[in-house]
Amino acid sequence: AQSVTQLGSHVSVSEGALVLLRCNYSSSVPPYLFWYVQYPNQGLQLLLKYTSAATLVKGINGFEAEFKKSETSFHLTKPSAHMSDAAEYFCAVSVKTGYALNFGKGTSLLVTP
Amino acid sequence: DGGITQSPKYLFRKEGQNVTLSCEQNLNHDAMYWYRQDPGQGLRLIYYSQIVNDFQKGDIAEGYSVSREKKESFPLTVTSAQKNPTAFYLCASSPNGVKSTEAFFGQGTRLTVV
Repeated sequence: AQSVTQLGSHVSVSEGALVLLRCNYSSSVPPYLFWYVQYPNQGLQLLLKYTSAATLVKGINGFEAEFKKSETSFHLTKPSAHMSDAAEYFCAVSVKTGYALNFGKGTSLLVTP
Repeated sequence: DGGITQSPKYLFRKEGQNVTLSCEQNLNHDAMYWYRQDPGQGLRLIYYSQIVNDFQKGDIAEGYSVSREKKESFPLTVTSAQKNPTAFYLCASSPNGVKSTEAFFGQGTRLTVV
């Protein structure tokens, strides 16, 4: 089965510092990979997705992620954290069109002044 | 505007009662999904439907039921058989095309059993 593992349930960074949220996937076939963000009591919003077109994917709000097949990773980064980035982040995988996404357990990002 | 509407946003239920959560989409998507979210557990799939009049169990379907009579609607019933129904429920949809496989989410319904 296809799955993702997010390392670190909580990450804390200072405002202006690099954000790095880790995601490793397990898949026997080339995967589709996604990062979503969730603010309190809201639904999930897509940040970016990897669908094999390019290994470095740029998303909204200055986030990007790099697909590394050799490391089975799809880590999310942002050069400079902003207070508004504080939220829950989910990595997800899908290997077949139209099938449900399998989500990691999420990483809560805290940004301190 | 196109999107997914879940209602109500907050729902309270007495133990032993069934309750139905509404999910409507006007994105013309074929596939729809229900997820349950609990703190620290991510999103777990309850049911999904790839086409009208067809649906499949997800990882935690016990105590839940769904229907898909219309393309736009995918209601979820939480039955009295669900032992721990208090949670945040998210509905999502996606097109069944080749290149566009992300899911679009509603704003969620928070169900509390009292």
